[in-house]
Amino acid sequence: AQSVAQPEDQVNVAEGNPLTVKCTYSVSGNPYLFWYVQYPNRGLQFLLKYITGDNLVKGSYGFEAEFNKSQTSFHLKKPSALVSDSALYFCAVRVKAAGNKLTFGGGTRVLVKP
Amino acid sequence: DAGVIQSPRHEVTEMGQEVTLRCKPISGHNSLFWYRQTMMRGLELLIYFNNNVPIDDSGMPEDRFSAKMPNASFSTLKIQPSEPRDSAVYFCASTLTGGDSYEQYFGPGTRLTVT
Repeated sequence: AQSVAQPEDQVNVAEGNPLTVKCTYSVSGNPYLFWYVQYPNRGLQFLLKYITGDNLVKGSYGFEAEFNKSQTSFHLKKPSALVSDSALYFCAVRVKAAGNKLTFGGGTRVLVKP
Repeated sequence: DAGVIQSPRHEVTEMGQEVTLRCKPISGHNSLFWYRQTMMRGLELLIYFNNNVPIDDSGMPEDRFSAKMPNASFSTLKIQPSEPRDSAVYFCASTLTGGDSYEQYFGPGTRLTVT
């Protein structure tokens, strides 16, 4: 079975500082990895994905993530956080053999303080 | 593109009543997913459809829950009878399978309160 872990329930960071949200996964087979963001009272918004190729992927709003196969990680990063980045972030994994469904992590709440 | 459309956005009902949630996926997408989000359990996949056919309903909590997709542009999730523990935000998402576009696009959700 596939699973995703987001070890931090909340991450606090000062505006302008680097932001990292951690994600590790466990799958059988090659993973397709995703990050989503959820603002209050909204649906999840797709940020970026890793399917194959370059391990560093860039996405919306200045976010990027690095796929690390040996550490089975896919951490989300932003060099300089904004107050408006405060939201709930979800990591998700898909394995082809499991069909089209995504398995989501428990989410990490990010609070960026001015 | 209008995105995934869900209705109603909010629903308040009494225990025992029937509730029907509606979803219109993005035009051209061929997979549709129903999720439930609560503080206690996080985001749970209830059921998903490929080309209007239910593929995996293992997440449907019990027989009180049912979902249909009569055509490519419409799906419903029905709860009958509803119970207070069904209170949650229900999301619908869609995607186009094939190629490398596996990301799902979510609707704004329906906040259900059962009293």
